[in-house]
Amino acid sequence: EAGVAQSPRYKIIEKRQSVAFWCNPISGHATLYWYQQILGQGPKLLIQFQNNGVVDDSQLPKDRFSAERLKGVDSTLKIQPAKLEDSAVYLCASSFTQGASREKLFFGSGTQLSVL
Amino acid sequence: DQQVKQNSPSLSVQEGRISILNCDYTNSMFDYFLWYKKYPAEGPTFLISISSIKDKNEDGRFTVFLNKSAKHLSLHIVPSQPGDSAVYFCAAKTGGFKTIFGAGTRLFVKA
Repeated sequence: EAGVAQSPRYKIIEKRQSVAFWCNPISGHATLYWYQQILGQGPKLLIQFQNNGVVDDSQLPKDRFSAERLKGVDSTLKIQPAKLEDSAVYLCASSFTQGASREKLFFGSGTQLSVL
Repeated sequence: DQQVKQNSPSLSVQEGRISILNCDYTNSMFDYFLWYKKYPAEGPTFLISISSIKDKNEDGRFTVFLNKSAKHLSLHIVPSQPGDSAVYFCAAKTGGFKTIFGAGTRLFVKA
């Protein structure tokens, strides 16, 4: 079974530039998540999709971050313009459903973003 | 507001000994707890979980204990192996929704 695919693996940009990350979840997984992991901290949920609808984006800085999940499969996360504090690993995860407590997350390898 | 806390940033253990990783939480509504393991340059992977109606769950060398009255859970690894060296995240869920992660504990298992 193919895992969660993410690209690029690494990205270095200057502040005020824009950047986009791509994620392809495990086939058949209805729920897709974007997490931000700052060095020394645990992953923090940015946005959660159920199919192509947004379930939770309460912690997404909407003035600069945007995300979409077209056709309920692939997803892109964009930052425009980037700030120094956006330097982090951006993790995409998927799960089969959303409603079950026992549902575990499957993570991609992440994108390491450095904003200079 | 840190609802899930892992107060030990790192832990060093000799191979063959027991590793005990601790986690505290503040939200009494959490009903499911999970541990994820993360190697460098990889995403976290699920390790073991426990429902709030249980106090222990075992899977091979890994056992998770839950003390609801103390809002505390721990992960025991026996015996520890060098391949267990990784960052371990404690996570908690409420009613099947958002997963909240702790900051992680880096485990070093010395050969």
